[in-house]
Amino acid sequence: EVTLVESGGDLIQPGGSLTLSCAASGFTFSSNHLSWVRQAPGKGLECVSVSYRDGDIYYSDTVQGRFTVSRDNSNNTVYLQMNSLRVEDTAIYYCAKVGRRSGPLSSWGQGTLVTVSS
Amino acid sequence: SALTQPASVSGSPGQSITISCTGTSSVVVDYNYVSWYQMHPGKAPKLVIYDVFKRPSKISSRFSGAKSGNTASLTISGLQPEDEAVYFCSSYTDTSTLLFGGGTKLTVL
Repeated sequence: EVTLVESGGDLIQPGGSLTLSCAASGFTFSSNHLSWVRQAPGKGLECVSVSYRDGDIYYSDTVQGRFTVSRDNSNNTVYLQMNSLRVEDTAIYYCAKVGRRSGPLSSWGQGTLVTVSS
Repeated sequence: SALTQPASVSGSPGQSITISCTGTSSVVVDYNYVSWYQMHPGKAPKLVIYDVFKRPSKISSRFSGAKSGNTASLTISGLQPEDEAVYFCSSYTDTSTLLFGGGTKLTVL
């Protein structure tokens, strides 16, 4: 069974940094793409980053230059390092397994809450 | 580009409902990569339809998907109380990204 467990969410002040982790199991981690999708309060979903299995990386315009995704294939974990956090980054952050570059997001974690507030 | 969904739909148990997802550009027309996700509060989102009409193995046959022009749709037949959730559509775009709709709240009356 595919399992994705996010951690690291916290209350952080604007301008601060935070690193999220997503521990995966139940599939061949190194052979799959992994994404980070967020949902701000009362808003829709936004794919903010994708770590492709071939090393390619995608960032949305809203986080480009501030967020960095990385993966540890030996520990089946993907990370999202978030710097220069803004109030508008407040959201539940989900980790998801991507079936192929064109989607779908076939399995999701339950998410971790990031609150950016002074 | 954007994907537009109705904010809410409702239906009674046993009825069928359809949720639309309209692309403002060619994102839906040109790609057969439309997916639908079910979200219950506090739970992991679940993929219910992918590639417009395909259903993951553990998803009930009551869920079906279709596409016509720049509009994709999700139909749930034989509504059940546990179907009450927020549903999001998603499409692969011409800029190689995954775009989501704003979500539709389904209420089972």
